[in-house]
Amino acid sequence: DQQVKQNSPSLSVQEGRISILNCDYTNSMFDYFLWYKKYPAEGPTFLISISSIKDKNEDGRFTVFLNKSAKHLSLHIVPSQPGDSAVYFCAAPAGGTSYGKLTFGQGTILTVHP
Amino acid sequence: NAGVTQTPKFQVLKTGQSMTLQCAQDMNHNSMYWYRQDPGMGLRLIYYSASEGTTDKGEVPNGYNVSRLNKREFSLRLESAAPSQTSVYFCASSGGARGYTFGSGTRLTVV
Repeated sequence: DQQVKQNSPSLSVQEGRISILNCDYTNSMFDYFLWYKKYPAEGPTFLISISSIKDKNEDGRFTVFLNKSAKHLSLHIVPSQPGDSAVYFCAAPAGGTSYGKLTFGQGTILTVHP
Repeated sequence: NAGVTQTPKFQVLKTGQSMTLQCAQDMNHNSMYWYRQDPGMGLRLIYYSASEGTTDKGEVPNGYNVSRLNKREFSLRLESAAPSQTSVYFCASSGGARGYTFGSGTRLTVV
């Protein structure tokens, strides 16, 4: 049972345009979400998070939106840069905080073309 | 630099061989985890340790064992490697609002 789903395996965008990565979840108990970024031959690194008490969290070029009624979150990158090319994972902790076991989506490979 | 260190980075095993993947963190985190990453499957939890002295199964524990040697170290053992265990393995620790800190991974091939 895949509780966190990223249905787009890949996304290709032009430099300077917006990248939108999507994530859906099925477990209504999830109330904290994280996005991780992974470059080849490296471990994932934390990018941005959002609590269910918010519907938006912004950090520089990265914004995460949460739609609780739809059980959907999205990561917006504006403007996209070639260095953003990586695999992006959304994740949710089982315990409702950032400390619990994380369930990850399948990942989306983002390619930003110069 | 503070973080999570995994060894080895690469390993090729023959079917039936055993090996131990080592992981150590220096951030004084209580919780540690082992994940595997496979194409199209994301990161799947193998085993985790919520604190020193405790370990629990994750989503895909079959064929693996773990040891939480102390607060810093959490090892993953494959007793009899199988081709299905070909994967990239990540160790992680957690202790803050940023969720996990991951190691750089071990790429394992079982032939």
